Amino acid sequence: AQSVTQLDSQVPVFEEAPVELRCNYSSSVSVYLFWYVQYPNQGLQLLLKYLSGSTLVKGINGFEAEFNKSQTSFHLRKPSVHISDTAEYFCAVSVYSGGYQKVTFGTGTKLQVIP
Amino acid sequence: DAMVIQNPRYQVTQFGKPVTLSCSQTLNHNVMYWYQQKSSQAPKLLFHYYDKDFNNEADTPDNFQSRRPNTSFCFLDIRSPGLGDAAMYLCATSRARGTYGYTFGSGTRLTVV
Repeated sequence: AQSVTQLDSQVPVFEEAPVELRCNYSSSVSVYLFWYVQYPNQGLQLLLKYLSGSTLVKGINGFEAEFNKSQTSFHLRKPSVHISDTAEYFCAVSVYSGGYQKVTFGTGTKLQVIP
Repeated sequence: DAMVIQNPRYQVTQFGKPVTLSCSQTLNHNVMYWYQQKSSQAPKLLFHYYDKDFNNEADTPDNFQSRRPNTSFCFLDIRSPGLGDAAMYLCATSRARGTYGYTFGSGTRLTVV
């Protein structure tokens, strides 16, 4: 079975500083990978996804992520964060299981941008 | 704009009193999902519909049921809510299962008193 690990439950960072949110997954088969953002009392919004091709994926709001198959990682990065980036970020992996693609979410990382 | 709409945004129900949460979509997506999200936890899949085909997760309690009368609407019924069912309930849609990413609604926060 697949699993997703987000080691950092909270990441504080100063405004305009770079940030990296870590995501590692385990799966014995090929995967699709996603990052979602959740603002307080809102649903999740898709930031970016990796399906195939280039391992560097660019998403909305200036975020990007790099798929590293050998390290089974899909870390999310932004070179300069803004106050508005304060939110919770979820990594997700999709694996073919039981007849269809099944998505598993990580436990989330709360990004707190400090003015 | 095409979207996923959940009603109501906030729902308060009494212990043991049946409650229904609704979700509608204008995306014409084949798949509709219901997730339960408790504070500081990952969203947990309860079940999903692929068109009219219902798929229940093995660990979803019998207390939770769902209906999809047409492509656009999907309902979550909680037959006898307990205090442990208080959570955010998220509806999501996708064109195919697990490939293109999901579009989520804003969620319904359920409080059980």
